[in-house]
Amino acid sequence: GENVEQHPSTLSVQEGDSAVIKCTYSDSASNYFPWYKQELGKRPQLIIDIRSNVGEKKDQRIAVTLNKTAKHFSLHITETQPEDSAVYFCAASDNQGGKLIFGQGTELSVKP
Amino acid sequence: GAVVSQHPSWVICKSGTSVKIECRSLDFQATTMFWYRQFPKQSLMLMATSNEGSKATYEQGVEKDKFLINHASLTLSTLTVTSAHPEDSSFYICSARWDEQFFGPGTRLTVL
Repeated sequence: GENVEQHPSTLSVQEGDSAVIKCTYSDSASNYFPWYKQELGKRPQLIIDIRSNVGEKKDQRIAVTLNKTAKHFSLHITETQPEDSAVYFCAASDNQGGKLIFGQGTELSVKP
Repeated sequence: GAVVSQHPSWVICKSGTSVKIECRSLDFQATTMFWYRQFPKQSLMLMATSNEGSKATYEQGVEKDKFLINHASLTLSTLTVTSAHPEDSSFYICSARWDEQFFGPGTRLTVL
């Protein structure tokens, strides 16, 4: 089955800096890669996603890149703000509404 | 966006008792719902896929006789933790599939 590895487990940046979180997946059948932000005790919130027919997608300060050949995808957050502090999870699925296999999570801390 | 609710939001029970958690899609019909479990500071782990009108599909290592799933209608799936023990204490999150997955707010289960 699919296995998703996520790094780093913790990330601390200064406000205004960029943050990058990386994930790798094992199943070449996976074609949908969402990223979620989860605050303590809350549900995961979809922040951006990418399908395998696209190499990069951007939404304001957030971007995701996908390298199908290497089976890895990354989340880039620019101009970080304290409210970006949360746990971020990558995930992989073989379709947009299918079961999600999550990475281990990255606790991002943005210091003012 | 689509709304998924869970009930209860938290529950405390004694060891050996059973607990039922409801997951409802409020404004759409979901033929497929998913149940995840999240231990503190860990990732979301898929437990099972719930299909309306048929038996749930459990992930490897998840005891189907302990975690009973019933998806009796297109808007309701239930997870019953039978003979709960302290090690079952966790955050249980459901999601419902429409064009993408929409997560419920989660249920915090504490078994004393």
